[in-house]
Parts: sequence; C-alpha cells; structure tokens
Amino acid sequence: AQSVTQLGSHVSVSEGALVLLRCNYSSSVPPYLFWYVQYPNQGLQLLLKYTSAATLVKGINGFEAEFKKSETSFHLTKPSAHMSDAAEYFCAVTFSFGNEKLTFGTGTRLTIIP
Amino acid sequence: SAVISQKPSRDICQRGTSLTIQCQVDSQVTMMFWYRQQPGQSLTLIATANQGSEATYESGFVIDKFPISRPNLTFSTLTVSNMSPEDSSIYLCSVGGYYGYTFGSGTRLTVV
Repeated sequence: AQSVTQLGSHVSVSEGALVLLRCNYSSSVPPYLFWYVQYPNQGLQLLLKYTSAATLVKGINGFEAEFKKSETSFHLTKPSAHMSDAAEYFCAVTFSFGNEKLTFGTGTRLTIIP
Repeated sequence: SAVISQKPSRDICQRGTSLTIQCQVDSQVTMMFWYRQQPGQSLTLIATANQGSEATYESGFVIDKFPISRPNLTFSTLTVSNMSPEDSSIYLCSVGGYYGYTFGSGTRLTVV
C-alpha cells in the first residue's frame, strides 16, 4: 500500500523567504504524486503533479517540486513566499493515475510572517 | 479537466437526521471518490463509486451510514445518515481522469 508522510504540521516563513514543505512517500510500485493547496473555507486546488516524466515539476503560483527516488521524497518549494501563500498544503499519492484513490498526507499549514 | 458542481455548500442539521450531498460532473467519468475532512484534519476516503456497481467502502465506513448512489457517469450522491455531532466535517467528491484528480468545492456539514 502507498502512503505519504508530511514532516511538520505547521511551517512559518517570513515573506520573501524560501518555502520548503516536505513530503516523503512509500510505495511498492512507481508512484504518482500530487501537491494540493486548500485556502481557508475553500476546496482543494492542484498545485502540481508528478507523472514519471520530468523529475522537476513546475506548478502554479511559482511552486515546484522535485521527485527524488533515492530519497523517496517529493518536497514542495517556492523561492520567495508571498502573504497569499498562507494555506494548508497536502501531498498525495496514487499508483494508478486517474483510476485509483488518492492517499493524502496529514497536511502542512503554512503561515507567512510579514 | 472535469468540472464538478457539488451541493449543498454547507448545511446545519439536527442530530438523527440525514443529509444527501450531490455531485454533478460536466463530463462522463468512470470513477468517483467521496472523501471526508474532519475539522483540522486531512482527507480520508469514504468510498469509491463506479457507475453500475456497488460502491467500495474503506475500512471504518459502512454503507448503512454512508449510502452512495451512482446512477450514471456524470452524477453521484452521498448520504450521511442518522447524523451525530461527530459527523460534522467537510465532505468532498472527486473524479479522476487524464489530467489528474478534480475535487468539488466541498459540503461543510455541522450537526447540532
């Protein structure tokens, strides 16, 4: 069975600083990995996805993530944090793209310090 | 990617009653997924609904409590039955496809 672990339930960064949100996966088969963002009182929005093409994936709002098989990681980064990035971020995994359930991590709440 | 219309967006219900949540998709999809997000928590899959077959429930979720209908390839409902305050959560539907997974905007349920 596949799973993801998000290290750090709460992360605070200063405006303009690097954002790094950690996600490690466990899967017996090549995984498909996703990052979603959830703004307060809103639904889930896809930031980016890894589908075994390029290991460095660029998403919306300046976010990107790198798939590292040797480290079983898919960390989310953004070079410069904006106040509007404050939200909950979820990493998710599946082993059959579009056809099987997504398994979500526990989430990381990102706070931006002015 | 698919667009999902989910309703109601929120509701406040009395304990012991039932609420039916609807999801309408703008294209035909094989699989629909229903998730629960308890306050301050991540998303947990309730069940997977394929058109023309019984829904498949995850451990800890039962059909009597969360009956699901999937009458065609663009529509599904989830009913939360005999509600208690512990059912207060956000319920989301989702569909998979070529571009990934799309989520409805969620139903915020409060049981009083």
